[in-house]
Amino acid sequence: AQSVTQLGSHVSVSEGALVLLRCNYSSSVPPYLFWYVQYPNQGLQLLLKYTTGATLVKGINGFEAEFKKSETSFHLTKPSAHMSDAAEYFCAVSEGSSASKIIFGSGTRLSIRS
Amino acid sequence: DAGVIQSPRHEVTEMGQEVTLRCKPISGHDYLFWYRQTMMRGLELLIYFNNNVPIDDSGMPEDRFSAKMPNASFSTLKIQPSEPRDSAVYFCASRRSPGWEQYFGPGTRLTVT
Repeated sequence: AQSVTQLGSHVSVSEGALVLLRCNYSSSVPPYLFWYVQYPNQGLQLLLKYTTGATLVKGINGFEAEFKKSETSFHLTKPSAHMSDAAEYFCAVSEGSSASKIIFGSGTRLSIRS
Repeated sequence: DAGVIQSPRHEVTEMGQEVTLRCKPISGHDYLFWYRQTMMRGLELLIYFNNNVPIDDSGMPEDRFSAKMPNASFSTLKIQPSEPRDSAVYFCASRRSPGWEQYFGPGTRLTVT
């Protein structure tokens, strides 16, 4: 069965600094990988996804993530943090195209210091 | 499109009462998912439907929980009887295959006293 581990339940960075949120996955088949963002009192929305092809994927709001099979990782980065990036971020995995559901990680809360 | 609609947005009830949460998925979407979010357990998938048919209900905590999807535009999650440990935010999400993006509703915050 697939699983997701997000390292660090809370990450704090200064405005303008690099954002790095870590995600490692476990899957018995080539995975599909996702990052979702949740702003306070809202539902989740998709930031970016990896299915096949290019391993560096770009998403909304300047975020990107790189699929590294050898490291079973899918870390989320943004070169320069903005105050509006403060939110909860969830990494998720599904077992490729044959699976209908996705499994979410425990989430990482990102805080931005001014 | 109006997005996924959930009602009510907030529900406060007493232990032992029946609670019904409602969801209207995005028109044309063929998958519907119910999730529960708590601080302790994070985001858990409870059940999902494909073309109104329940496919996987292995996440439903116990027999007190039930979900239905009588048609493509409406689903309910019922808890009977409710208990304080059911307090959580319940999300409904939908997607249209073959795409993978799930669109989440705003959630229903349930408090059972």
